[in-house]
Parts: sequence; C-alpha cells; structure tokens
Amino acid sequence: DAGITQSPRHKVTETGTPVTLRCHQTENHRYMYWYRQDPGHGLRLIHYSYGVKDTDKGEVSDGYSVSRSKTEDFLLTLESATSSQTSVYFCAITGTLTDTQYFGPGTRLTVL
Amino acid sequence: QKEVEQNSGPLSVPEGAIASLNCTYSDRGSQSFFWYRQYSGKSPELIMFIYSNGDKEDGRFTAQLNKASQYVSLLIRDSQPSDSATYLCAASMNSGYSTLTFGKGTMLLVSP
Repeated sequence: DAGITQSPRHKVTETGTPVTLRCHQTENHRYMYWYRQDPGHGLRLIHYSYGVKDTDKGEVSDGYSVSRSKTEDFLLTLESATSSQTSVYFCAITGTLTDTQYFGPGTRLTVL
Repeated sequence: QKEVEQNSGPLSVPEGAIASLNCTYSDRGSQSFFWYRQYSGKSPELIMFIYSNGDKEDGRFTAQLNKASQYVSLLIRDSQPSDSATYLCAASMNSGYSTLTFGKGTMLLVSP
C-alpha cells in the first residue's frame, strides 16, 4: 500500500458534464500519474506531474486537464465528458526506487 | 512509437506447473522493466522489476531480461490457482523519473 486513495471510486455521469477525479497520496512522492485502462488497449498514460504546478501530457491527453496545487493531490478533469471517456482511471506514484510505480485503487467512470 | 507487446492469452497451466509469460519491446533505449499482476476489478500490483541482462529471482518468480533480443519474461514456478490474473509488462527509459509504456497484458489461468 503506497498510501494512495482515489475518489470517487465509482461515478456515472452524462455526456457534456464536467467531471473531476481526485488522487491523494500521503507519502510526499514527487511524481504522480493518471492512466486509463480499457479492454484491448491496456494502460495508457493521460497526464503526469513531476512537482507542484509541474505537469505534462501523456499518450492520450486530449479531452483531459490536470492540476497539482499541493504535493499530495493530483486532480484529473474531464471538461465535457464524452462516452469515449468511459473507462477505469488509475492514479500512480513513483516510489523510492527510480521508475517503480505504484497504483491507487482506481475509479470506474461511466459516461452515458 | 514505443511499444511493448504481450500475447493476450489466456495462458492455461495446471497447478504446480511453471508458467512462462513473455514480452517484447521496440525501444532499444528502454532500460527498466516491470511485471505487474492485476486481478479482475483490482489495480495493478508490482511483482518484480529488472534492469540488468540475465535472471532475477524472488520467491516463486523469476524475471529474465535479454536486451540484445529486446525480450523480457516472467516465470512463475509451482503455479497456484491464486496466480490466475492478468500480467502486465512495462518498460521505461530510466531517466530519473518514469513514464512507463505498458503491454496489454497476458491472462494466466491456473487450474486446480
């Protein structure tokens, strides 16, 4: 357990509504990541952060934005949710060993 | 385009047998390799990582790396039904912080 929580754990929303997912960590890790996982595609990186207010895009960043105003919180926002964003979203942190990532419990998002 | 390829499976083995999971990667610059286990509906859990050519053993698990062939494998000895899960292979550049590229995973089924 790397001290990572995600909220909400499940969410159902409608197309066009904004959605924010929260990742919270308790161990002061510098690097945090957001992934989505879909059948047939595996885990794909959306955005990542290498410090407070320092973020960068991943492989599938279109339609998503992130913010990190505190070390412990990394927020993922879908400005206007679409059905193609129905997925399971995982947050991850890099542990003390370089490159080793540990995952949160995930958020299952359904966009109707 | 960095790619990590895995056979999707399922790989079926009887209890007590050796399960062999394979992974190839396209980017010769990849330096670090990771194996994660993911049970259905759960988040990925780190099993092992390997940086150097050769074998690395941890209990019933052995990771093997051959950088010349761009090949990584995971052997699970004395397979148990509780090992039934999807196994994800990931690679990174080991650049000080990690953006991992994941394969789509291989499903392993261990029958009693």
